[in-house]
Amino acid sequence: DAGVIQSPRHEVTEMGQEVTLRCKPISGHDYLFWYRQTMMRGLELLIYFNNNVPIDDSGMPEDRFSAKMPNASFSTLKIQPSEPRDSAVYFCASSSYVGTELANYGYTFGSGTRLTVV
Amino acid sequence: GEDVEQSLFLSVREGDSSVINCTYTDSSSTYLYWYKQEPGAGLQLLTYIFSNMDMKQDQRLTVLLNKKDKHLSLRIADTQTGDSAIYFCAESKGGNYQLIWGAGTKLIIKP
Repeated sequence: DAGVIQSPRHEVTEMGQEVTLRCKPISGHDYLFWYRQTMMRGLELLIYFNNNVPIDDSGMPEDRFSAKMPNASFSTLKIQPSEPRDSAVYFCASSSYVGTELANYGYTFGSGTRLTVV
Repeated sequence: GEDVEQSLFLSVREGDSSVINCTYTDSSSTYLYWYKQEPGAGLQLLTYIFSNMDMKQDQRLTVLLNKKDKHLSLRIADTQTGDSAIYFCAESKGGNYQLIWGAGTKLIIKP
């Protein structure tokens, strides 16, 4: 497996524009997570899905943020309109579970999308 | 409450051992993890330990778990320049599908 694939790797956009980040999880993984990483706030969980269904979106900062998972192999995180304070690295991660326990290999992360809003 | 704490920086000389420490608050944690993040990259699972273990060794890595004190450590023997990275501690709990993350410890290698 090629791992968790995120695109684009870098995105520079102007304030007010719509930004869409994409993620392809590892085949067979039934959990998908979106994280944001900044120097000030560290690693923040934005939202996670189980079997394509959003389970917890309490970390989504504002209504400007939305995430979808239309099928098991694809997810998007959209910011509309974007603002300079959204500049960060956005990570997607996927995982699988055995019974009710997190499988002992934890999460597999993508390489991230570095978003710069100017 | 849920809180995982780590020191933000650790500086060691090349060839010495590095010990990165982590404390957590939830005694019901089942797995504890160490992830490594190199510059410009995502987080990569380094090693993990199950909560009924005290120690786990994997080549140059040794993980020690003190459940009484809720303390986890990662020892890297013979630290090399390639070990320069941010190391994250994380805990998981049975039935809870989220990992609780520390802020990460940046390991700086001095020549």
